[in-house]
Amino acid sequence: GENVEQHPSTLSVQEGDSAVIKCTYSDSASNYFPWYKQELGKRPQLIIDIRSNVGEKKDQRIAVTLNKTAKHFSLHITETQPEDSAVYFCASLKRGSNYKLTFGKGTLLTVNP
Amino acid sequence: EAGVVQSPRYKIIEKKQPVAFWCNPISGHNTLYWYLQNLGQGPELLIRYENEEAVDDSQLPKDRFSAERLKGVDSTLKIQPAELGDSAVYLCASSLGGGQGVDEQFFGPGTRLTVL
Repeated sequence: GENVEQHPSTLSVQEGDSAVIKCTYSDSASNYFPWYKQELGKRPQLIIDIRSNVGEKKDQRIAVTLNKTAKHFSLHITETQPEDSAVYFCASLKRGSNYKLTFGKGTLLTVNP
Repeated sequence: EAGVVQSPRYKIIEKKQPVAFWCNPISGHNTLYWYLQNLGQGPELLIRYENEEAVDDSQLPKDRFSAERLKGVDSTLKIQPAELGDSAVYLCASSLGGGQGVDEQFFGPGTRLTVL
């Protein structure tokens, strides 16, 4: 089955710096890659997603890039703020009738004021 | 618009006891998912429903776990009997579904289960 590796497991940055989280996936049939933000004790919330027909997508301070050949995708957060502190999960979904999201293990991002 | 609703938010039981979790998806969402999230891990799918049909339950431990979505709206996940290793957060999610495309999954707040 699909395997998603996520790095780093923890990331600490100063406010205003950029943060980059990287994920790799194993199944070349995967075609949908969402990123979720989960604050402590709260629900995962979708912050951005990308489909396999697009190489990059941006939404204000957040961007995601996808390299299908290398089977990896990355989350980029610019001008980080303390409220960006949370656990971020990448996920992949395989094309076909079984719409199963496979999640990475998460990255704990801490933005220091 | 209300999001995905789950209850209870927290549950503490002793091992070998039964427990049930309830989920009400976003109105109009045909697809409902139950996920298990262990501490420090990403969610793992247990079961997916399209309306009232369980279309993927391959990850559900059927010896002790069961789920139902009788009218294709709200759903219940049950564990009987619970074991110590079942302590985790149980997340419910829903999406529009009904087509061949991929759509966003919206998560509920989860039920944190502690088995003593």
